[in-house]
Order: sequence, then structure tokens, then C-alpha cells
Amino acid sequence: DQQVKQNSPSLSVQEGRISILNCDYTNSMFDYFLWYKKYPAEGPTFLISISSIKDKNEDGRFTVFLNKSAKHLSLHIVPSQPGDSAVYFCAASGTGKLIFGQGTTLQVKP
Amino acid sequence: DTEVTQTPKHLVMGMTNKKSLKCEQHMGHRAMYWYKQKAKKPPELMFVYSYEKLSINESVPSRFSPECPNSSLLNLHLHALQPEDSALYLCASSQVQGSVNEQFFGPGTRLTVL
Repeated sequence: DQQVKQNSPSLSVQEGRISILNCDYTNSMFDYFLWYKKYPAEGPTFLISISSIKDKNEDGRFTVFLNKSAKHLSLHIVPSQPGDSAVYFCAASGTGKLIFGQGTTLQVKP
Repeated sequence: DTEVTQTPKHLVMGMTNKKSLKCEQHMGHRAMYWYKQKAKKPPELMFVYSYEKLSINESVPSRFSPECPNSSLLNLHLHALQPEDSALYLCASSQVQGSVNEQFFGPGTRLTVL
């Protein structure tokens, strides 16, 4: 039973364009959502988060949108840079446990 | 200091060995976590410590034994592991255990069980 799903295993975008990574969840009890970025041989790095009482949170080039009725969130990166190439994990939190999606590998081409 | 450190970076052990993984943070965080990550899979929670007490054990086999000697340190003792236990073991910390707390991860220990 996968409570957090990232249906796109990979995404390729051109430098300077927008990257949109998507995430769906099934458990309506989740109250906090996070995005992490992971490079090979490193631990996940926290990027941005959003509370379930909000629908948007912005931090520089990164914006997370939450649609509670659809149980869907997305991460927008604009403009995309080659250094953004990594695996992106969506995570949902409830009762202090993080449940991760399967990850989406983003490749930003120069 | 805003990082979580883990030692060793790599570990190779036989099925009869006993070894320990170590994790340290100096951010004053009172919640610490162990995760296991297999290749091309998301991290999976193993244990949570809150104020040095074991709060969550995700039905992890007893061959994995966590220990939290103080608020900055977290150990994972390994004994009689199986080859399928080979994975990246990640430690994380957060201010306290709870939903609205970002977890900060260490670089992980790459474990190979022969």
C-alpha cells in the first residue's frame, strides 16, 4: 500500500525552463509535506515544505503547490539549472513519521 | 553546525560479525531517526528516538539494535545480518518528533553484508 506516489520515474528539461515534479498521496491524515533532493552517495537534502493548511509555499526558485481535494502536490523549479539534476523525493508527514515517494530523477540539460 | 555526520561511510561485514553504525548531530535536535534505503527505492523508516527514548520501531528484526547514548548521538548495532540487509543506512534528526519538523539527513553508511 503505497501512500505517497511519484508516478514519473524521470523528467528531462532544458536549462532555463520550468521543471514540474508531481506527487500524489492517499492518506488524508497527512498534515505536512516536504520535498527532498538527493545526489548519488549523499543523504537527502531538505528543499521546501508546505503545511496542509496552505496551498502554496515559495522559496527562491522553488515553489510547492498543494491541492488537498485532489491529494496532489507539485514542485516547480524555475528557472531550472544543470545543478538541479538529482533525484527528488516527495514526503508526507503524520505523527512524526515521514513516508517517501519513489522519487523522480530530474535531468536538466545545458 | 547544521549537519548530521555518520561513520563509517562504507562497511563490509560477514554474516557472523558484530558492527556498529554511528550518527552525530550538534543542532540541539531531540528527535533522531534511522532509515534504510535500497537501490532505486525511497528511504524506509526503521527507528525513531525522541528525547533519547525509543519512540517508534517499525517492526525491525532484532539483528538491528538501536541505541541513543545522549541527545547528540545515535548508534545502530548490527549482529548476524543477512545479505539482503545490504543497503544505505541513513540517520536523520529534527528539532522534535512531530509532523511539522523538517528532518535533516546525514550522508549515510553504505553497508555490504557478505
